[in-house]
Formats: sequence, structure tokens, C-alpha cells
Amino acid sequence: GDSVTQMEGPVTLSEEACLTINCTYTATGYPSLFWYVQYPGEGLQLLLKATKADDKGSNKGFEATYRKETTSFHLEKGSVQVSDSAVYFCALRGIQGAQKLVFGQGTRLTINP
Amino acid sequence: NAGVTQTPKFQVLKTGQSMTLQCAQDMNHEYMSWYRQDPGMGLRLIHYSVGAGITDQGEVPNGYNVSRSTTEDFPLRLLSAAPSQTSVYFCASSYLEGVYGYTFGSGTRLTVV
Repeated sequence: GDSVTQMEGPVTLSEEACLTINCTYTATGYPSLFWYVQYPGEGLQLLLKATKADDKGSNKGFEATYRKETTSFHLEKGSVQVSDSAVYFCALRGIQGAQKLVFGQGTRLTINP
Repeated sequence: NAGVTQTPKFQVLKTGQSMTLQCAQDMNHEYMSWYRQDPGMGLRLIHYSVGAGITDQGEVPNGYNVSRSTTEDFPLRLLSAAPSQTSVYFCASSYLEGVYGYTFGSGTRLTVV
């Protein structure tokens, strides 16, 4: 079945550092790919998405590119802020069982001033 | 504000008690679903619905019941609570079968003692 594997955390960085959170997936065909963010005590918010190969999703300075050849969707940001501290989830929506999002286990990110 | 509303935010139950977690959305989304979030496991799908009167099981449906009498509401019932059901529960809804992502509620933190 479909699955998502993402970089284990926790990840701790200093403000203005570069961020990469790795995400790889296993799925049939061309799934839609997502990054969700969960701030402390809150629900999940859609951060960015890509629905076909080579698409680049971007939002709030974060970017991720849908790489079919490596089945990856790594999250990147050039300069992180303290306010980026949160848990980040990579997820896919497969072409089969279309009502279901499959999530990675989440990566906790802490940014120190 | 438009979105997904979950109640209650917190709940403590005794083993064997029953209760209903409420979920309502005002975006006229056809698709609604319930997830549980457990540490290190990401989110797992409990039940979902593709429209009023139609529901189906997800990955971890045992011990839970759902119904969908209206487009707006999708309650989750715990029939006889067990400590293994201690978790954070999220309701989510989507447009176009989730191709562009789901909107999540803020969650219900449930403790079963």
C-alpha cells in the first residue's frame, strides 16, 4: 500500500539557518503530495502542495518539489525563524482509495533565537 | 470564520463509558473524515464519508462508529471507551476528493482512564 517516510526528529536549528526535512513516498502512479504544519496546541494546517511531477509547492518561504524519479518531496527553507517551530507532516493522497491521506510520522522542528 | 469545528477540545472518560465527538464544517465539503494522532505514528484514518448517508471504514475503525445525516456534520462515537483510545482526534473535510488538501479541525484530546 501507499506509504510516506520522513526524516526523524527532533530537529533543532538556530534562527536564520537553512532547513531541509526529507520525505520519500511509495505509491502507485502519481499521487498528490502535501506538507502540513502543526503549531503547539493546534490542528494541522496545509503548508504547501504539489499535484503532479516537477511541480513546486511554496508558501511562507517554504518550498518542496515533486520528484517522481526519486519519489521524494523534501521540504526546504533558506532562513528559518523562531515562529517556524512546529511539527511538520509529509502526506500523500493516492490515486486509489482517494479519500484517504497517508501521513508520515511527523518531524518536530525547534528554532532557537 | 469558515472551517471545521470540533467539540469538545478536551475530555476525560472512564473505561467503558461512551461519548460522541462532534465535527461540523461550513464549507459544503462532500468529504469528511476522522483521524487519530498518536506519538511517533503520524495520523491514522478511522472512518470517512464521501457524502450524506455514505460512510466507510479507514485504517483503525474498531471501537468507533460514525454516521452522516447531513453534509455539515460528521460525529464520531466511542461505543465503550478503552485506554487504548487515549489520543488526539482530528476531523477533516475536503473538496474534490482531497486533491488539493484537507481542512482540519483543532482537535479533541481524549484521555481514557
